[in-house]
Amino acid sequence: DAKTTQPPSMDCAEGRAANLPCNHSTISGNEYVYWYRQIHSQGPQYIIHGLKNNETNEMASLIITEDRKSSTLILPHATLRDTAVYYCIVRVVYNFNKFYFGSGTKLNVKP
Amino acid sequence: EPEVTQTPSHQVTQMGQEVILRCVPISNHLYFYWYRQILGQKVEFLVSFYNNEISEKSEIFDDQFSVERPDGSNFTLKIRSTKLEDSAMYFCASHTGGNQPQHFGDGTRLSIL
Repeated sequence: DAKTTQPPSMDCAEGRAANLPCNHSTISGNEYVYWYRQIHSQGPQYIIHGLKNNETNEMASLIITEDRKSSTLILPHATLRDTAVYYCIVRVVYNFNKFYFGSGTKLNVKP
Repeated sequence: EPEVTQTPSHQVTQMGQEVILRCVPISNHLYFYWYRQILGQKVEFLVSFYNNEISEKSEIFDDQFSVERPDGSNFTLKIRSTKLEDSAMYFCASHTGGNQPQHFGDGTRLSIL
């Protein structure tokens, strides 16, 4: 699985959009990009995933560059409850493939 | 929305004792996983399980670990003789397969004394 690079921490004002970048320059054509978050020591929570098209759901939007070497997770209106560690994971899709979790980005949402 | 449930939420055990961590995956999921997270460290893969057998295991998953799906709903992780370094959060995950995301439980905090 391709390696990902994320900034260790970011700050965001409450109510503003949080844009979390992820670099995955060695991604291959059959690898998906997944985003998870972990609040305190709770279990990782799935946010969104995509292959090459931009994706949106009720939690967030995922923007993947045309060359697929980087992506951005967008939380459109961050709240204090969005303070968490956000993980970008690139994974070859076959049925029982594991996830590799890196260190992620600690997002601090401030009032 | 269906979710993965894990019990107990916190387990305290004496070193050398056996411990069983329990998970109920989402009902239509076919692929099951255990991960662990030592305090302050990354989430690490332990084992994947499909069709009643281990699909893959990490080097952490040595002979003191075993997994079982004893019935149609439970998925268990057994640590035969616990060590101090087994203290960690243990997360169970499941999914339907393919590109579908894994869904995680809230974990069991295992404390070895």
